[in-house]
Amino acid sequence: AQSVTQLGSHVSVSEGALVLLRCNYSSSVPPYLFWYVQYPNQGLQLLLKYTSAATLVKGINGFEAEFKKSETSFHLTKPSAHMSDAAEYFCAVSLNNAGNMLTFGGGTRLMVKP
Amino acid sequence: DGGITQSPKYLFRKEGQNVTLSCEQNLNHDAMYWYRQDPGQGLRLIYYSQIVNDFQKGDIAEGYSVSREKKESFPLTVTSAQKNPTAFYLCASIRGTESYGYTFGSGTRLTVV
Repeated sequence: AQSVTQLGSHVSVSEGALVLLRCNYSSSVPPYLFWYVQYPNQGLQLLLKYTSAATLVKGINGFEAEFKKSETSFHLTKPSAHMSDAAEYFCAVSLNNAGNMLTFGGGTRLMVKP
Repeated sequence: DGGITQSPKYLFRKEGQNVTLSCEQNLNHDAMYWYRQDPGQGLRLIYYSQIVNDFQKGDIAEGYSVSREKKESFPLTVTSAQKNPTAFYLCASIRGTESYGYTFGSGTRLTVV
């Protein structure tokens, strides 16, 4: 069975500060990992993905994430937060059978203070 | 441009009514999914379909029904048996293998009045 845990349902940072959103997964085999962003009343947009190539993955809008197998983590970071980064972020892991299924974490709402 | 179109964006339902949410994709994706999103609860899988004329229940299928008569279309019906249908509904599709990730529609917000 697979699961995804996002630590902290709400994270608040000041504009210009480091953004760190945490994601830990459990999987019996090497996973595919994803981060999505959702703005209010919109669908989810893919930020970045890890598919067993480089462990440091760069995505859109200046975000990046590092796959750490020893820690079973895939935390999302951005060096300097912008007001436009305020949104909900979801971590997801692939389901390693023929189902083409993603399992999502509970989401983290990022708030950016001026 | 290719993508997933969900309609309507807002939908109001009276108690005891069935309503159907539309999901259409022109990405030539094989698999399609319906998720329900409630505040603070993340995404919960309702139904999914890997191929035409075949679909499987997800975690919260009770009170919902789907069909997959065409590759491009995966409509979701919220029946009167769904006791708490007010939520944000998201449709997604995937290209081939899970390494590509999902493409999502923009969602339908359903409200019971």
